[in-house]
Amino acid sequence: DTGVSQDPRHKITKRGQNVTFRCDPISEHNRLYWYRQTLGQGPEFLTYFQNEAQLEKSRLLSDRFSAERPKGSFSTLEIQRTEQGDSAMYLCASSRRDGASYNEQFFGPGTRLTVL
Amino acid sequence: KQEVTQIPAALSVPEGENLVLNCSFTDSAIYNLQWFRQDPGKGLTSLLLIQSSQREQTSGRLNASLDKSSGRSTLYIAASQPGDSATYLCAVRETSGSRLTFGEGTQLTVNP
Repeated sequence: DTGVSQDPRHKITKRGQNVTFRCDPISEHNRLYWYRQTLGQGPEFLTYFQNEAQLEKSRLLSDRFSAERPKGSFSTLEIQRTEQGDSAMYLCASSRRDGASYNEQFFGPGTRLTVL
Repeated sequence: KQEVTQIPAALSVPEGENLVLNCSFTDSAIYNLQWFRQDPGKGLTSLLLIQSSQREQTSGRLNASLDKSSGRSTLYIAASQPGDSATYLCAVRETSGSRLTFGEGTQLTVNP
């Protein structure tokens, strides 16, 4: 069990550019979640997948954001036409089925995005 | 809409003190509650998870309690150490979904 990994750890980009982040969940974890955290705030939910199906999206996930989990393993989060307000830490988490439900979420180290 | 509040926002204590962090939530229809630790610029480390049917969970020097009916949870840290310095976040998962709703955290500093 190597934990949730995220790549890159840091990304600096210019306004208007597209960026893509990757998340590798803990192996055999069916659910994968994306959250966003701005400085001094708690994380906010963006979206989650069960296997390859995207089951829920927050209203925070504007049309410029898209997430995929094509084979039910790793996931990518793409932000198109980045804006300075997109600067944040993007956190990925995963969980596995435990009995009748999914419980504990385990988080990765995050990707810090800075939009200049 | 679920709202989670953590008090205090910041806390500074001398090493060795026992301390309590508070978390409150507005909708008692929760499935579970998790406490996390976050070091500066890092991801979240899960500390304790309490199911809605449970009253408390313990791990080492940490004890978390849950009073679902009053919408409150506390994290008790015994014999605090400088290495406990971090931001502590609580998060609730509602019965209606899988997302976690987080508080803004309590920034703890334990002074040697």
